[in-house]
Amino acid sequence: DGGITQSPKYLFRKEGQNVTLSCEQNLNHDAMYWYRQDPGQGLRLIYYSQIVNDFQKGDIAEGYSVSREKKESFPLTVTSAQKNPTAFYLCASSSPGTSAYNEQFFGPGTRLTVL
Amino acid sequence: AQKVTQAQTEISVVEKEDVTLDCVYETRDTTYYLFWYKQPPSGELVFLIRRNSFDEQNEISGRYSWNFQKSTSSFNFTITASQVVDSAVYFCALSVMDSSYKLIFGSGTRLLVRP
Repeated sequence: DGGITQSPKYLFRKEGQNVTLSCEQNLNHDAMYWYRQDPGQGLRLIYYSQIVNDFQKGDIAEGYSVSREKKESFPLTVTSAQKNPTAFYLCASSSPGTSAYNEQFFGPGTRLTVL
Repeated sequence: AQKVTQAQTEISVVEKEDVTLDCVYETRDTTYYLFWYKQPPSGELVFLIRRNSFDEQNEISGRYSWNFQKSTSSFNFTITASQVVDSAVYFCALSVMDSSYKLIFGSGTRLLVRP
């Protein structure tokens, strides 16, 4: 089945550690996105990538880093510089080509908790 | 700047009642797209509908209907004869023709349908 997978589902991090969240899609989508969701709030864009080997900062990129070495994969690293990383992280991709018209498809999310 | 407002934080209804979720958006762009997504307890966002700024026709899909009014910058969502399975958080989102094609989300409305 085509879709987006995210792993792990739950992740616990000690302060000062970097952690990497995985996002893989087999939908042949060009564009991929990372959003952060805090309780009672909407989703906010962290990073996005429209083609391989290219990515751009979103609205809240500080303390995060990404790579896009393959079309299917868009991992997100939460660095120790991110002051309040506890949140629900959602990865999304959009259909071939990039357009405001195309709906985004979302993965199941990773819930990150800092201990 | 673009903005989406969902003023209803939480709504509770009894099964079989009709319920309307409000969405008000702000943008100066003449071309834009509006979306509704459903987020069940599992966390994954599910796409429900897309509407472009040039199409003000209302849409009905089964028990779901959407009312788009440019005059009031609103894109409201009505569930007729609600069911327990409709319980979820519902997000309204806006996309404009900029370089990111990101979704700008409202803060969401949590709908609880009681048996």
